[in-house]
Amino acid sequence: GAVVSQHPSWVICKSGTSVKIECRSLDFQATTMFWYRQFPKQSLMLMATSNEGSKATYEQGVEKDKFLINHASLTLSTLTVTSAHPEDSSFYICSARSRDRGRTIQETQYFGPGTRLLVL
Amino acid sequence: GQNIDQPTEMTATEGAIVQINCTYQTSGFNGLFWYQQHAGEAPTFLSYNVLDGLEEKGRFSSFLSRSKGYSYLLLKELQMKDSASYLCAPMDSNYQLIWGAGTKLIIKP
Repeated sequence: GAVVSQHPSWVICKSGTSVKIECRSLDFQATTMFWYRQFPKQSLMLMATSNEGSKATYEQGVEKDKFLINHASLTLSTLTVTSAHPEDSSFYICSARSRDRGRTIQETQYFGPGTRLLVL
Repeated sequence: GQNIDQPTEMTATEGAIVQINCTYQTSGFNGLFWYQQHAGEAPTFLSYNVLDGLEEKGRFSSFLSRSKGYSYLLLKELQMKDSASYLCAPMDSNYQLIWGAGTKLIIKP
């Protein structure tokens, strides 16, 4: 139980293009999803928190117009990196949290496998 | 401010026991999580403590003392596959996880 998938796992794109990353909770309903970024040998950096059906809350320093987040359903959130540049190259990881007991432990964030983005 | 303190790196021998300590300061507290992160991969959930005491789960145990702002992760019968970073992540009053850089654990044969 508590499986989160992410797609794609790898993206290589040209500078200026937009990239969409999907995050799905496969066997539970995620009331909240989180998007993180992690550079090599650094800690996880929270980019934004999204609740189903409402606008995402972005962390300080994260441009909401550049990193578009849509949490359209209880099992799907998407992150779109618009007009990507080489400095956006990173490991993007989503996590999902359910407040329901059962397949998930309350308040626990379950992570997707991550998406490596390389912008040339 | 919110702060987490863990050793940067630890080394242990296969088959041995290792304890990874974590002290934290948060605005409010709603429990503490331990995650394992292998190099190049996303974190995986190990444990959650919200009450004081020891939680045992197979080879891994996690301890919490809320009054001391202290937790530890105990790994027994170490295996080579346990080589990874271990992240201590307390949850603040807004139910946000606070992330540090974690402890890189190196297991030697």
